[in-house]
Amino acid sequence: DQQVKQNSPSLSVQEGRISILNCDYTNSMFDYFLWYKKYPAEGPTFLISISSIKDKNEDGRFTVFLNKSAKHLSLHIVPSQPGDSAVYFCAAKASYDKVIFGPGTSLSVIP
Amino acid sequence: DGGITQSPKYLFRKEGQNVTLSCEQNLNHDAMYWYRQDPGQGLRLIYYSQIVNDFQKGDIAEGYSVSREKKESFPLTVTSAQKNPTAFYLCASSPRDREGLYGYTFGSGTRLTVV
Repeated sequence: DQQVKQNSPSLSVQEGRISILNCDYTNSMFDYFLWYKKYPAEGPTFLISISSIKDKNEDGRFTVFLNKSAKHLSLHIVPSQPGDSAVYFCAAKASYDKVIFGPGTSLSVIP
Repeated sequence: DGGITQSPKYLFRKEGQNVTLSCEQNLNHDAMYWYRQDPGQGLRLIYYSQIVNDFQKGDIAEGYSVSREKKESFPLTVTSAQKNPTAFYLCASSPRDREGLYGYTFGSGTRLTVV
């Protein structure tokens, strides 16, 4: 059973607009949530994380929002750029356990 | 520069042969991981090690073996028992107590093709 879900396999956004990538989870013991970006034939790179005690974390164009009651988080990219086109993985971690990855969402930013 | 090095980048194997994928890190990370990615799919955990001379099976360990004799190295052997070995293999590492904040550091991957 998937503990971390990304229900949208793909997303297309116009350059300059906002990209919103969604993620749902089932394990209430997760205390950290992370987003990774992956280009084809490369390893994922860490983007941003959020602790379960926060509801928002921002880093430049990237903001992650956490709604614990809904077991939902989202990554906002503003403004979207063509170089943001990649697969984005949502991930989560409980204390003393390994990171669990979602299946990924492929983002295409159209110039 | 610190990082994770996976080699080779591309690897071809004949059916029935074992093959070993290399993963070396100079980040002084305690924990290391092996993942597999198939086309259109997410990352699936094969094996992980949180300390030298110890490792644990992940979700899809069958047909794979690992060793962790040195902190810096975590080689993965794909054996002939692995039914569908063609995939993109990713190695990662992390400090044991800060994975939540900073996540894993990944290598650039090895694409294994069985011919």
